[in-house]
Amino acid sequence: DIQLTQSPSTLSASVGDRVTISCRASQSIGTWLAWYQQKPGEAPALLIYRASTLETGVPSRFSGSGSGTEFTLTISSLQPDDLATYYCQQYNTYSGTFGQGTKLEIK
Amino acid sequence: EVQLVQAGAEVKKPGESLKISCVGSGYTFANYWIGWVRQVPGKGLEWMGIVYPGDSDTRYSPSFEGQVTFSVDKSISTAYLQWISLKASDTAIYYCARTDPFIAGRPFDFWGQGTLVTVSS
Repeated sequence: DIQLTQSPSTLSASVGDRVTISCRASQSIGTWLAWYQQKPGEAPALLIYRASTLETGVPSRFSGSGSGTEFTLTISSLQPDDLATYYCQQYNTYSGTFGQGTKLEIK
Repeated sequence: EVQLVQAGAEVKKPGESLKISCVGSGYTFANYWIGWVRQVPGKGLEWMGIVYPGDSDTRYSPSFEGQVTFSVDKSISTAYLQWISLKASDTAIYYCARTDPFIAGRPFDFWGQGTLVTVSS
């Protein structure tokens, strides 16, 4: 099974900060990586797929990059509405592993 | 508008059986895989597996194979997640979500609201 490791597990940042979350795969997954945002009490929502393609309707301050085993989610200017837990997921096989999540707190 | 609507919360005793539902609308249900995701309260997301309504092709995570059963009734655009004998450790929120990973390269793009299953004696 492919394992995904996110870092950091928790992150505290101020409004306007640039925020970066990393996701490392245990073996190459090409660009078959997605990022999700889960706000408290809500279902997850898709932000980015194919590692760098922004889902329709997602603010442009979110961006994704990477390929192979190293991936990054960047929020260019943190907003109060971005308080959430963020998950990466690989989906290139019949097993779609999630990372353990990164909880983002607003200072 | 694409929607996935899940059944309401369930409270069951250990050893009881349960089948929860996920109804799709606003798209051709048979043409997209439906995935199931578990989230123990306060914990992360776990990929349980996927089922293709078009032909009921099913893929389970090794962690869940033999523990749950996926099924579909495409005539009513509904997917199901079933347990024969629940355990306390099955207590979690279960989400269904739409995906088209193999042709369009789309991960879980629309999600149900989740069904909280509580198993307690």
